Amino acid sequence: EADIYQTPRYLVIGTGKKITLECSQTMGHDKMYWYQQDPGMELHLIHYSYGVNSTEKGDLSSESTVSRIRTEHFPLTLESARPSHTSQYLCASSEGDTQYFGPGTRLTVL
Amino acid sequence: GQQVMQIPQYQHVQEGEDFTTYCNSSTTLSNIQWYKQRPGGHPVFLIQLVKSGEVKKQKRLTFQFGEAKKNSSLHITATQTTDVGTYFCAALSNSGYALNFGKGTSLLVTP
Repeated sequence: EADIYQTPRYLVIGTGKKITLECSQTMGHDKMYWYQQDPGMELHLIHYSYGVNSTEKGDLSSESTVSRIRTEHFPLTLESARPSHTSQYLCASSEGDTQYFGPGTRLTVL
Repeated sequence: GQQVMQIPQYQHVQEGEDFTTYCNSSTTLSNIQWYKQRPGGHPVFLIQLVKSGEVKKQKRLTFQFGEAKKNSSLHITATQTTDVGTYFCAALSNSGYALNFGKGTSLLVTP
């Protein structure tokens, strides 16, 4: 198993709150990713990064934003959470083509 | 990107039966990867196939990459309850930096 961590693992918040989902990896990987996945459904890429100071939007439009100030850290922020943001958010990093996933954050917005 | 389609979406087998999931693309793939996600868990890398016609085995799992590099399959022999989960195939996007995942095949194994 790779060393990639996500916090919090579970989050229940009210509509309109600002939240930041944390993702860290200790493997020195340059490439990192955020996916959104509803239960039992496919993975949708929402953001990725080639390295420090680089971020790109993925295939699925998302109201979230990301930053990559340090190699090991790739946080995702929602400025104003809504019930439609309820989902699981998976962070991953890669060495070569293989991706290593964190345990995920299950977000519920009431 | 290099889109991949997976079939079937769901498969329910009795323990001991075999299982196969298929991944297809309309374009030639540079490589293909397979991941497994247990219920409530996160995807875990299983294998990568690169060469045309390549076949790789991991115990009861057999992975195959088509001769034209447009399709792949994962076959599980004599399924066990520990095989339960969703199996995803994935191919590099055109950017070369991200993966496009198939929709996955959810496998249920009953004793």
